Amino acid sequence: QVQLVESGGGLVKTGGSLRLSCAASGFTFSGYFMSWIRQAPGKGLEWLSYISSSGGTIFYADSVKGRFTISRDNAKNSLFLQMNSLRVDDTAVYYCVRDRRLPDMWGQGTVVTVSS
Amino acid sequence: QSALTQPASVSGSPGQSITISCTGTSSDVAYYDYVSWYQQHPGKAPKLIIYEVNNRPSGVSDRFSGSKSGNTASLTISGLQAEDEADYYCCSYTTSSTRVFGGGTKLTIL
Repeated sequence: QVQLVESGGGLVKTGGSLRLSCAASGFTFSGYFMSWIRQAPGKGLEWLSYISSSGGTIFYADSVKGRFTISRDNAKNSLFLQMNSLRVDDTAVYYCVRDRRLPDMWGQGTVVTVSS
Repeated sequence: QSALTQPASVSGSPGQSITISCTGTSSDVAYYDYVSWYQQHPGKAPKLIIYEVNNRPSGVSDRFSGSKSGNTASLTISGLQAEDEADYYCCSYTTSSTRVFGGGTKLTIL
């Protein structure tokens, strides 16, 4: 079955960096777009970024443009999110999501906490 | 990109039907038939229940249905059950090739 397992979350100070990873299995990873989506505590869902199946097309939400970088390694069935210049309002659960113009399968999420 | 507009909360009694609206713009909901709905129980990841306006993934109850008119999409849940109590989010593809979510609707079963 489709599985997406995120890792790399944790506690970091403002201005710091984290790299999230997502291990995919159960489907042909290289054939799908992938996205990162987050959910701040008690808040709604926020789409952050997607990457095309080849990695050649990437889009970001304005809230993370210039600070976050999405990438993928199709040989290792892995998706990444490099997060720099972290702010307190980046505190959230970060979800790795399979994307077919819209998210369909979701991981369980990894928690990122940014403290001042 | 502004979030899609959903009511903050709706409620209904077991067996009744409810409808949740999701209002966007000519650059998202109105432009494409790429609208999806997600159900999220507390502490869990969202689950896809409707895709491309009115399609149900395998395994999703036929009590869930979707529709769209102009810039407003809707999710209808018929025959409400206790386990339907959850948060519901709509999402649309946009003309900028991004995705935008609604603010979420909390469904309470009375």
